[in-house]
Amino acid sequence: SQTIHQWPATLVQPVGSPLSLECTVEGTSNPNLYWYRQAAGRGLQLLFYSVGIGQISSEVPQNLSASRPQDRQFILSSKKLLLSDSGFYLCAWSPRRTGSTEAFFGQGTRLTVV
Amino acid sequence: KNEVEQSPQNLTAQEGEFITINCSYSVGISALHWLQQHPGGGIVSLFMLSSGKKKHGRLIATINIQEKHSSLHITASHPRDSAVYICAVSLTGTASKLTFGTGTRLQVTL
Repeated sequence: SQTIHQWPATLVQPVGSPLSLECTVEGTSNPNLYWYRQAAGRGLQLLFYSVGIGQISSEVPQNLSASRPQDRQFILSSKKLLLSDSGFYLCAWSPRRTGSTEAFFGQGTRLTVV
Repeated sequence: KNEVEQSPQNLTAQEGEFITINCSYSVGISALHWLQQHPGGGIVSLFMLSSGKKKHGRLIATINIQEKHSSLHITASHPRDSAVYICAVSLTGTASKLTFGTGTRLQVTL
């Protein structure tokens, strides 16, 4: 069966420090991968999505970047965190079948920048 | 105006009550998802709908494509149902990129 792992679950980081959140998917191949963020009091918003290794699309300009070094690995990074980067980060995947609308979610990472 | 609107934002119910959470959207969609987020943050997918109605245990989800509206019902609510319920849509032509509502916070008391 397919599973998605996201870690860490919670993270407290000082302003200006780097960030690396990792997400891996098991039990499937060629998934579409997504990073979403939920800022306080707001809905989840798409940050990045990827349809293949090394292929990253950014939905909103920000202080973050994403990479996909392997087919089932998606990494969210920052060189220097800002206070405004605090929030709940969620990794998700979907099958790449044409017309597929299924979506599967990781457990999320709650990031607090202090 | 958000493309996906949920109501109510907050809901308190007593154990055993029938609960309805509403979701309206203003764009063309290929599917609508109902998700559950517990206080720890983890998100669980409850339903994916493109038409009609689905039932799983005490949960029922309906969608009216013409009216661009979906409802999530919980029968015989229980304190363990306390969570944030989120409506999300897959916009037509955008594969599985999701647009989310802001969620409905449900608290079920004894």
